[in-house]
Amino acid sequence: SYELTQPPSVSVSPGQTASITCSGDKLGDEYVCWYQQKPGQSPVLVIYQDYKRPSGIPERFSGSKSGNTATLTISGAQAMDEAAYYCQAWDSSTTSVVFGGGTKLTVL
Amino acid sequence: QVQLQESGPGLVKPSETLSLNCAVSGYSISSGYYWGWIRQPPGKGLEWIGSIFHSGNTYYNPSLKSRVTMSVDTSKNQFSLKLSSVTAADTAAYYCARQGYYGSGGYYSVGYSDYWGQGTLVTVSS
Repeated sequence: SYELTQPPSVSVSPGQTASITCSGDKLGDEYVCWYQQKPGQSPVLVIYQDYKRPSGIPERFSGSKSGNTATLTISGAQAMDEAAYYCQAWDSSTTSVVFGGGTKLTVL
Repeated sequence: QVQLQESGPGLVKPSETLSLNCAVSGYSISSGYYWGWIRQPPGKGLEWIGSIFHSGNTYYNPSLKSRVTMSVDTSKNQFSLKLSSVTAADTAAYYCARQGYYGSGGYYSVGYSDYWGQGTLVTVSS
């Protein structure tokens, strides 16, 4: 089955830049989106269509994609950004939505 | 403001059918978008269950397809999930969400989920 691979954890110091990657062998063919999930809360969409930011999401969140790897970048990370982040894409071969395994971002 | 609210039993016995509803307010299901179910076992990641369009067109997770049925009731502006023959492995928080889609000509790919319900924990236990 199609898999999206994310690093299990990423650490960043406050004010620095955090990058979270998502790789999949067909990622270049489909749009990628990213969610932030804090403990006990529902996921929140932070990036869609590879790089677009929904209304209300801070500008420090940005998305990019090169080939089969997508990257979520948090510029000037804040303590409030500490959360799990999930990438998601469509698998056309099985007509299904696929999530990455998630990345725990620690800001310290 | 679009809002989604899951409802259903919090405890289901093994081998029985899990049934959940998702009531949508602030947006008409008939106006577009796919409507999906996503679950998350305790301490684990997100798993897509399936998505449905207001016309009834569905996409299901291949690993769950044999046990999943989704339906939509446009008159009540809600959609539902049934998952049969449940086991302890189906214990999870279940979320409903509004989902954007891409494509034309009858083939669509489901994309981002921009509005989510608060989630409901379903435990499978005797």
